[in-house]
Amino acid sequence: KAGVTQTPRYLIKTRGQQVTLSCSPISGHRSVSWYQQTPGQGLQFLFEYFSETQRNKGNFPGRFSGRQFSNSRSEMNVSTLELGDSALYLCASSFSGTGGNEQFFGPGTRLTVL
Amino acid sequence: KNQVEQSPQSLIILEGKNCTLQCNYTVSPFSNLRWYKQDTGRGPVSLTIMTFSENTKSNGRYTATLDADTKQSSLHITASQLSDSASYICVVSPDPYNQGGKLIFGQGTELSVKP
Repeated sequence: KAGVTQTPRYLIKTRGQQVTLSCSPISGHRSVSWYQQTPGQGLQFLFEYFSETQRNKGNFPGRFSGRQFSNSRSEMNVSTLELGDSALYLCASSFSGTGGNEQFFGPGTRLTVL
Repeated sequence: KNQVEQSPQSLIILEGKNCTLQCNYTVSPFSNLRWYKQDTGRGPVSLTIMTFSENTKSNGRYTATLDADTKQSSLHITASQLSDSASYICVVSPDPYNQGGKLIFGQGTELSVKP
């Protein structure tokens, strides 16, 4: 069974630009969560999508948005990039059925904002 | 406030030695606690998961313990190897469905195993 894939793996942008990151969950998984990870803050929850609907949202500004498609693939978009957006962006998928759903993480997209 | 605190922040040990990482949590209600291993530049990988009624769970050289009364967990690594060098993250879920927005992450312990 293929794991969670994220593209691209590395990205360099300049301030003010926008970026779109993609996440393909494990086949059969309907939930996709996005996280920002920085050395000082650890893993910060961005949002979670389940069956194309945003189910939970973290405390990030509106510049961060996401969506989920009917095949459960998800994208997140960051507009008007700031230097502080440089981070490892992780997505995680889970089946989100009953009981003890494990979140399986992708390898992440390393975003550098110059 | 729901919180997960890990100690130490970083740890250096020699190859072959054992070590123990700590996780204290103040999360209510409590559903499960999971330890993840994250190699540099990679996504976290689950090592163990424990629910309220479980005291210990092993995965090879990794053994996690849980004391739900004192709200403490530990991850013990036996006979460390160079490949154990990574960040170890403790994650507590108040939600049995482990919805992404409900998970409480610790800051992680950075373990470095030296030859």
